[in-house]
Amino acid sequence: DAKTTQPNSMESNEEEPVHLPCNHSTISGTDYIHWYRQLPSQGPEYVIHGLTSNVNNRMASLAIAEDRKSSTLILHRATLRDAAVYYCILRDVLQGGSEKLVFGKGTKLTVNP
Amino acid sequence: DAGVTQSPTHLIKTRGQHVTLRCSPISGHKSVSWYQQVLGQGPQFIFQYYEKEERGRGNFPDRFSARQFPNYSSELNVNALLLGDSALYLCASSLLPAGGPIRNEQFFGPGTRLTVL
Repeated sequence: DAKTTQPNSMESNEEEPVHLPCNHSTISGTDYIHWYRQLPSQGPEYVIHGLTSNVNNRMASLAIAEDRKSSTLILHRATLRDAAVYYCILRDVLQGGSEKLVFGKGTKLTVNP
Repeated sequence: DAGVTQSPTHLIKTRGQHVTLRCSPISGHKSVSWYQQVLGQGPQFIFQYYEKEERGRGNFPDRFSARQFPNYSSELNVNALLLGDSALYLCASSLLPAGGPIRNEQFFGPGTRLTVL
């Protein structure tokens, strides 16, 4: 029941920028777009999230299309430590006001030295 | 500060057995969620607990159950194990059960790798 679609894999060279796309055509007006990544042999970790405006933090930037049906995670200078599976996620609201993360298969990013 | 901890790291069981997985959230976090990650797939939501009450349940059979203790740690129990239960079981903690506009990120532990033979 994932609400997002991403390419299965992408490849980049070290020190180069990486643009990871995500489609979420059924997004509602109140859905926040979240990105998590999962390094090998680790649990997922938060990267960034946003609603409408582009967002920046120390890890990455998030560019959100004007119609919000797609977004792009930008790693400005990929390092070998950025090799991971990147998940674009829309949260699902549950009864009682709680929420869950709905993961798809994500994009496996390979960074070449 | 310690992150989310899970035990055991690895576990091997046979079909029909029962298993208990444990999770300690980050100090101050009252919400714990459990996810199952089968090889090659993204994590799938199993349960969420907040303040010791179940707040959400995913599409998993009744063989799966969980509980949260007064110190906010949690256990996931799986009865009558099947081969298909082999997976990485992830626990995540957060301050609140839902974020809305605030960040409320979920912090994941390293997981418990369960193998059912």
